Amino acid sequence: DEQLVESGGDLVQPGGSLRLSCAASGFRFSRFWMSWVRQAPGKGLECVAKIRQDGSAMYYVDSVRGRFTISRDNAKNSMYLQMNSLRAEDTALYYCATEDFWRFGLWGRGTLVTVSS
Amino acid sequence: QSALTQPPSASGSPGQSVTISCTGTSSDIGTCNYVSWYQQHPGKAPKLMIYDVYKRPSGVPDRFSGSKSGNTASLTVSGLQAEDEADYFCVSCGGGDIAIFGGGTKLTVL
Repeated sequence: DEQLVESGGDLVQPGGSLRLSCAASGFRFSRFWMSWVRQAPGKGLECVAKIRQDGSAMYYVDSVRGRFTISRDNAKNSMYLQMNSLRAEDTALYYCATEDFWRFGLWGRGTLVTVSS
Repeated sequence: QSALTQPPSASGSPGQSVTISCTGTSSDIGTCNYVSWYQQHPGKAPKLMIYDVYKRPSGVPDRFSGSKSGNTASLTVSGLQAEDEADYFCVSCGGGDIAIFGGGTKLTVL
């Protein structure tokens, strides 16, 4: 079965750092753009970063640019999100998802990031 | 990148049809043919229901249909069933390189 599994979410203090991971299985991971999409409690969805199939291009939403870094390792069928200088407003459930022409076909179940003192 | 505008709620009785709108601008929905819709039940991951404005992934019932007119995309659910009660989100290109999401609509089956 095609599957994405996120991990690494935790409670962290403002200004802290966290690294999220996304493990893919059951499909050809290297074929897809991959994205991190977050959902703050009771709010809508927001795509925060995406990365090209070979990792040669990365894009970010304005609110995280300069603080978050997306990366991938196709040999390990994995994607990562390094989050630095975390703020309270980064508190959310973070999903990884495959992206193909702005459609998110496969989603993980999410990992929770809470930024609070 | 501004979010797309969706009504916060919609409702219908079983068997009826409901249409959810998603309004953007001439810079996104108005010129983008990559509009998609997602269903999200509480505590679950979103599920792709419509892509490229009107196409359905395999396994999605044909009760779900999509369309676009000008700067507004729409999702219509026909023959409403209890299991259709969920949150629905639209997505469009046009926000530069990052997809733009709608704020979501809670669909209630009365």
